This record gives sequence, structure tokens and C-alpha cells, in this order.
Amino acid sequence: DAKTTQPTSMDCAEGRAANLPCNHSTISGNEYVYWYRQIHSQGPQYIIHGLKNNETNEMASLIITEDRKSSTLILPHATLRDTAVYYCIVRGVMNNNAGNMLTFGGGTRLMVKP
Amino acid sequence: GAGVSQTPSNKVTEKGKYVELRCDPISGHTALYWYRQSLGQGPEFLIYFQGTGAADDSGLPNDRFFAVRPEGSVSTLKIQRTERGDSAVYLCASSLRSSGGARANEQFFGPGTRLTVL
Repeated sequence: DAKTTQPTSMDCAEGRAANLPCNHSTISGNEYVYWYRQIHSQGPQYIIHGLKNNETNEMASLIITEDRKSSTLILPHATLRDTAVYYCIVRGVMNNNAGNMLTFGGGTRLMVKP
Repeated sequence: GAGVSQTPSNKVTEKGKYVELRCDPISGHTALYWYRQSLGQGPEFLIYFQGTGAADDSGLPNDRFFAVRPEGSVSTLKIQRTERGDSAVYLCASSLRSSGGARANEQFFGPGTRLTVL
């Protein structure tokens, strides 16, 4: 799976949009971009994923550049409960038993402040 | 519905002892994963089951680590002759299946077991 690069930490004011960038310049055509987050003392939680189109769900929006070499996770109105480590993961979806694990990097520690 | 559960939530043991960590996946999920997370780092893959068989155990650090899933549901991670470096949070995740569309691969994580080896 391709490697991802994320800033180590970011701050965001409560109620404002949090924009978390991720670089994945070596992504290949059959690899998806996944985002997970991990709140303190909990297991990681799935947020969203995409291939090449922008995606939105009840938690966040995912913007993927046209060349697919980078993406941005957007939390439109950050709350204190969104304070967590956010992981950007690139992963191929295989139609066999191989390579289905998630490869986590260091993630971005997002601190939402009042 | 019930999510992934792991027991115990905390385990303290002495160097050289044997430990077992249990994972109960979401009912109906055929794929099960074990990860290990050291302080300040992201989770690292250990082993993955599709049904009863270990489809990929390439992440197990050495032969002291072993995992089973005899009936294709509950899994147990077993660590022999524990060392202080084994101290970490051990996370279990399950997914509906391991192949097919991207959403079917979404992994749901348990809260983890914090293992401390003194």
C-alpha cells in the first residue's frame, strides 16, 4: 500500500471547519483513501473513504485532488468531541485474501479548542 | 447492535508469563484482525483471519505470538514468555468480509486490551 504523509498536529477552534491534509503521491489506480480517527483510550473509528470522487457522509467530507496525490478530510463544524488522532490510509481493495490489513502512519493529532 | 468486544480491558503480568487476550467480533463478520499499538504510535498489523484460517500472519513479531479462531467467530491472541517490550494496547477489528467492495472491508475496532509486562 502507498505511504501517506500527514502533519503531526493541528489546532482548530470549536465550531469552525477542520481541514486535515494528507499526501499520498505514490497512490496507484486501484487504491482507495480511507480515514479513521482514534479518540483517546478507544479503538480507531472509520470515518469515510473514497477512490477519486469527493465523498460526504454524516461525519465528514473527503476531497481528493484530480491527480489523486493528496486529499483533505473536512469536519465542517468541529466540536470538542472531535479531538482525536486522525489517520489517512491508502489501501488496495483486493478480491482475494491478501493485503486487507490497514497500514497506519503516525496520523494528525487534532485538538479542538473552545 | 453490539460492537467488537475485547477482554480483559487491562492485563498486568510478569516477564516470562503466558497471556491470552480475547476478541469477540461483530456477529456475522467473517474477517478478523489483530493490531498492536505502542504509546504514541499508530496501530501495527499482527494477523488476519478469514473464517477459521489465518490468511496473513506476516505481522506477528516472533514465534512467541500465536492466534486462533477455531469456530470462525471468537479469536484468542496468545503470547508466550512475555517480555517488557510486549507492553502495548492490543486491538482487534472485524469486517463483514475481506474481499469485494470497499465498504465491505470497513473494519470495526474494539476498545483494546492494555497489556503491561512488569
